[in-house]
Amino acid sequence: GAVVSQHPSWVICKSGTSVKIECRSLDFQATTMFWYRQFPKQSLMLMATSNEGSKATYEQGVEKDKFLINHASLTLSTLTVTSAHPEDSSFYICSATKPPGQAYYGYTFGSGTRLTVV
Amino acid sequence: GESVGLHLPTLSVQEGDNSIINCAYSNSASDYFIWYKQESGKGPQFIIDIRSNMDKRQGQRVTVLLNKTVKHLSLQIAATQPGDSAVYFCAENMRGAAGNKLTFGGGTRVLVKP
Repeated sequence: GAVVSQHPSWVICKSGTSVKIECRSLDFQATTMFWYRQFPKQSLMLMATSNEGSKATYEQGVEKDKFLINHASLTLSTLTVTSAHPEDSSFYICSATKPPGQAYYGYTFGSGTRLTVV
Repeated sequence: GESVGLHLPTLSVQEGDNSIINCAYSNSASDYFIWYKQESGKGPQFIIDIRSNMDKRQGQRVTVLLNKTVKHLSLQIAATQPGDSAVYFCAENMRGAAGNKLTFGGGTRVLVKP
C-alpha cells in the first residue's frame, strides 16, 4: 500500500506559459501533501505544505503567486507553475502522508516531474 | 561556474565492502528520521527510519545510528552491491505550527566499484 502517482513524468513548455503537475495518492487518503523542488546535483528543497481544503503553507523564499497549489480532495494535489521561465526548470517531487494515528508518519513520494522551460 | 556546495560529496566503495554515510541534522526537536535512496531521474526511495527515542535500528543489510547529542545520523550498508550506487539523503521530521514536515540533508553519492 501507500502509492503516490505523479503526472506528468516530464514536460517541456515555452517560456511564459503555465504548467500543471498532479500528485495523487492511489490507495490512501492523504490529509497532507508536500511539494519539493530539486536542482541538478542538489538536495530536495521543500516548497510548500498543502492540507486538504485549506491554503498551502509556503516555505520562505517560495513565491506563492508563481507556484499555485491546490489540494481540493484527499487524494489529489496540484502544483501549477505560472508564467514559467527557464530558471524554473527543475525536478518537482510530491509527497503525501497518511492521516494522524497511523503506525508511522508514512511519507510516500511520487516519481517526480522533470520540467524544462525553453 | 559552479560553487562549493553544489557538488554532492561522493563515497567510492569497493563491491562487498561496507559503506558508511553520515548526516548532520539541524533541529534538536526533530522526532523522526529517514534515509532515502535516489536514483537518477526518480523520486526518493525509503530505506530505513528511526524515531528519536532510539539510537540504533537495523534492517536488511542496513543500519541507522542516531546520536542526538551531536545531532548526527549515519547509514551503514553492509556488503555494498553495484545496485546500491545512488544518491543517499537523510531527512528529518519537524513539528511546526502548520503540522509535520520533512526536510532533507545535502546528500551523498555512493559509487560502487566492481
